[in-house]
Amino acid sequence: NAGVTQTPKFQVLKTGQSMTLQCAQDMNHEYMSWYRQDPGMGLRLIHYSVGAGITDQGEVPNGYNVSRSTTEDFPLRLLSAAPSQTSVYFCASSYFVGTTGELFFGEGSRLTVL
Amino acid sequence: AQSVAQPEDQVNVAEGNPLTVKCTYSVSGNPYLFWYVQYPNRGLQFLLKYITGDNLVKGSYGFEAEFNKSQTSFHLKKPSALVSDSALYFCAVRDEGNTPLVFGKGTRLSVIA
Repeated sequence: NAGVTQTPKFQVLKTGQSMTLQCAQDMNHEYMSWYRQDPGMGLRLIHYSVGAGITDQGEVPNGYNVSRSTTEDFPLRLLSAAPSQTSVYFCASSYFVGTTGELFFGEGSRLTVL
Repeated sequence: AQSVAQPEDQVNVAEGNPLTVKCTYSVSGNPYLFWYVQYPNRGLQFLLKYITGDNLVKGSYGFEAEFNKSQTSFHLKKPSALVSDSALYFCAVRDEGNTPLVFGKGTRLSVIA
């Protein structure tokens, strides 16, 4: 199994540009989430989804949109990129948020906004 | 809301010595506790978890963690550190019910040969 796949691995944007970070999992997980990792801040939850058609905001949702049209995919959209969104983004999934199962992480997408 | 604290940004230990990485948590109900490890330029990997039962939990790569309800702690331990254990370690907690996993800020472990 591929697990959780994120694309692209690296991206450079200019302020104001938009883009989508892709996340796909092949484990039939109900729960998917996006975190950003910044030095000294740990991982902060951006958005999450407990199933197709259901999304909710995490700790730092501003400037980001998500949708969940299928169980497998959970793209993260930056509507108008800002330098403050320079970060490493991780997608993670698990069987269901209410279970005791662990999260499976992708390898990360490093985004730089100039 | 649940929260987790890792009081040490950096832990240095000599190879062969025991190591401890500290974690304390706050939840309103019973906690689900996790430890993850991150190697450079990689995603996080699951090490171990406490859900219920024995307070001493054993996980991958020889790591273990001790759940202490009275001190609201879940410290990560290993009897004999290896240089290859050098990495960034994250503690995470989830409250009962449909709540997302909340991570600490991470502790960088450096094992010196």
